[in-house]
Amino acid sequence: GENVEQHPSTLSVQEGDSAVIKCTYSDSASNYFPWYKQELGKGPQLIIDIRSNVGEKKDQRIAVTLNKTAKHFSLHITETQPEDSAVYFCASRKNAGNMLTFGGGTRLMVKP
Amino acid sequence: GAVVSQHPSRVICKSGTSVKIECRSLDFQATTMFWYRQFPKQSLMLMATSNEGSKATYEQGVEKDKFLINHASLTLSTLTVTSAHPEDSSFYICSARRDGPNEQFFGPGTRLTVL
Repeated sequence: GENVEQHPSTLSVQEGDSAVIKCTYSDSASNYFPWYKQELGKGPQLIIDIRSNVGEKKDQRIAVTLNKTAKHFSLHITETQPEDSAVYFCASRKNAGNMLTFGGGTRLMVKP
Repeated sequence: GAVVSQHPSRVICKSGTSVKIECRSLDFQATTMFWYRQFPKQSLMLMATSNEGSKATYEQGVEKDKFLINHASLTLSTLTVTSAHPEDSSFYICSARRDGPNEQFFGPGTRLTVL
């Protein structure tokens, strides 16, 4: 089955700096890659996703890039703010009927 | 749009009792809903997938008689933890997949504590 690895497991940045989280997946048939942000004591919130027919997608300060050949995708957060501090999970899915496979999560800490 | 609610948000119960958790997609239809369990500082563990009007599909190692799932409508799924024990204490999160775009949205989670 699909395996998703996520790095780093923890990331500490200074407010205003950029943060990058990387994920690799094993199943070349995967074609949907969402990112979720989970704050303490809350459920994950979908923040951005990308499908295999595009290489990059941007939404204000966050962007996701996808390299299908290398089977990896990354989340980029620019101009980080303390409220960006949370655990971020990447995931992949093979087709619409399948379940998501999650990475292990990255705890992002943005220091003011 | 794309809001998933979960109730209750927190429950404390005595060992041996049953607890029901409701999951609702508030502004979209969800043929498929998922139930996850999350331990502290860990990723989400899929427990089961439920499709409206049919029996849930459980992941390996998840007892279907202990975690009863009902998906009676396109907007409601319930998880009942039967005869709960302290080891069932965890954070339970439901998720609903929106038909069409197929994005998956999560509820706010339910913190279950079994004494």
